Amino acid sequence: DIVMTQSPDSLAVSLGERATINCKSSQSVLYTSNNKNYLAWYQVKPGQPPKLLIYWASTRESGVPDRFSGSGSETDFTLTISSLQAEDVAVYFCQQYFDTPPLFGGGTKVEIK
Amino acid sequence: QVQLQESGPGLVKPSETLSLTCSVSGASINTYYWIWVRQPAGKGLEWIGRIYTSGNTKSHPSLSSRVTMSMDRSKKQVSLQLTSVTVADTAIYFCAREEECGTACYSRHWGRGIPVTVSP
Repeated sequence: DIVMTQSPDSLAVSLGERATINCKSSQSVLYTSNNKNYLAWYQVKPGQPPKLLIYWASTRESGVPDRFSGSGSETDFTLTISSLQAEDVAVYFCQQYFDTPPLFGGGTKVEIK
Repeated sequence: QVQLQESGPGLVKPSETLSLTCSVSGASINTYYWIWVRQPAGKGLEWIGRIYTSGNTKSHPSLSSRVTMSMDRSKKQVSLQLTSVTVADTAIYFCAREEECGTACYSRHWGRGIPVTVSP
């Protein structure tokens, strides 16, 4: 299995400041034949289903604010919220879909400082 | 638009079988793969398994001995059965549709989730 490890477990950021979440996979999720990283990011708020934010490591889902961005390749990935808003308080998960089972990271809780 | 809705009992006794159904609307059930994911309270997302358009299934190795998934094409429903449940199976259960990427994919469409408690 490709294990996903996120850091930090939680972080508190002031409104308008940058939040950075890291995700590391136990092996590369870059498929060399198409040069795509099989990595997605989700936002989960209490009482709501996961919301897809980013796929292919850096492609923003339609309707997702451009303050959310994804970067990285092979085994190291980052989700950045460039200017934290109150509505961004949530838990964020990365997921690899390079292989089955498509495991999720442990999650990072983002709060307002 | 694509809508998924989970249904089933919210309370199951230990050692019994948890049975959930996911009803799909706004999309063909024959075109995509369908998955089940759960989230215990205060914990992370756990991938349970996938049912393919063929009806074949693949589940997480840790659950495979207890998981059965099926599809009713006429009703546009996918189902999950989890046998011999324990309190550790208490969670919110989600169904979702996998986009088409290959072996696995991300999920854009999710049900609202159904909370299931395992308790005597």
